[in-house]
Amino acid sequence: DTGVSQNPRHKITKRGQNVTFRCDPISEHNRLYWYRQTLGQGPEFLTYFQNEAQLEKSRLLSDRFSAERPKGSFSTLEIQRTEQGDSAMYLCASSRDGPYEQYFGPGTRLTVT
Amino acid sequence: QKEVEQNSGPLSVPEGAIASLNCTYSDRGSQSFFWYRQYSGKSPELIMFIYSNGDKEDGRFTAQLNKASQYVSLLIRDSQPSDSATYLCAVNMVWWHSGGGADGLTFGKGTHLIIQP
Repeated sequence: DTGVSQNPRHKITKRGQNVTFRCDPISEHNRLYWYRQTLGQGPEFLTYFQNEAQLEKSRLLSDRFSAERPKGSFSTLEIQRTEQGDSAMYLCASSRDGPYEQYFGPGTRLTVT
Repeated sequence: QKEVEQNSGPLSVPEGAIASLNCTYSDRGSQSFFWYRQYSGKSPELIMFIYSNGDKEDGRFTAQLNKASQYVSLLIRDSQPSDSATYLCAVNMVWWHSGGGADGLTFGKGTHLIIQP
């Protein structure tokens, strides 16, 4: 396993701009999850995919957030019209069917100025 | 509403001693339980998972689950300075429908563990 990868690792953007993050899961994993983590808090679930189907979205995922996984492989998370409150670490995790252990990527740290 | 509670610490343990980390959860339907270790500025790293009542051991780590009390714990034996980190407890509720499925993990805020040399 090469592990979950995420790009970019860091992103600084101005308020109001759009940003997009990419996640590549472990190759044999069909489930992919997005989380957000702020300082001093545990990760908070945003959304998840089973193959290309988006099966669940947290109420934390406002209309400015959209996620896709078009071919059931990599996924993208887009934030439109960023706000300072969007500053956080965005984490991607993947798992395969069965015991449901989720393995996290290194994260993308977003700073909105 | 699922909640996971952990003592935020810091929990200070001498090197070589046993560190005991605790977690309670509110959703009685929760069926999968995970412990992650997170170093400052890094992403969570899975160290243990447990699904059945009782103990599960892996090297220096033991996870304990008591579903009746809605309680899960992590023991770290022979604690090392490199074990100093934040330990996150996470739960999810697995439900079975066509094709199976699982929602996202609900995390506690984590316990900051310090191993004193």
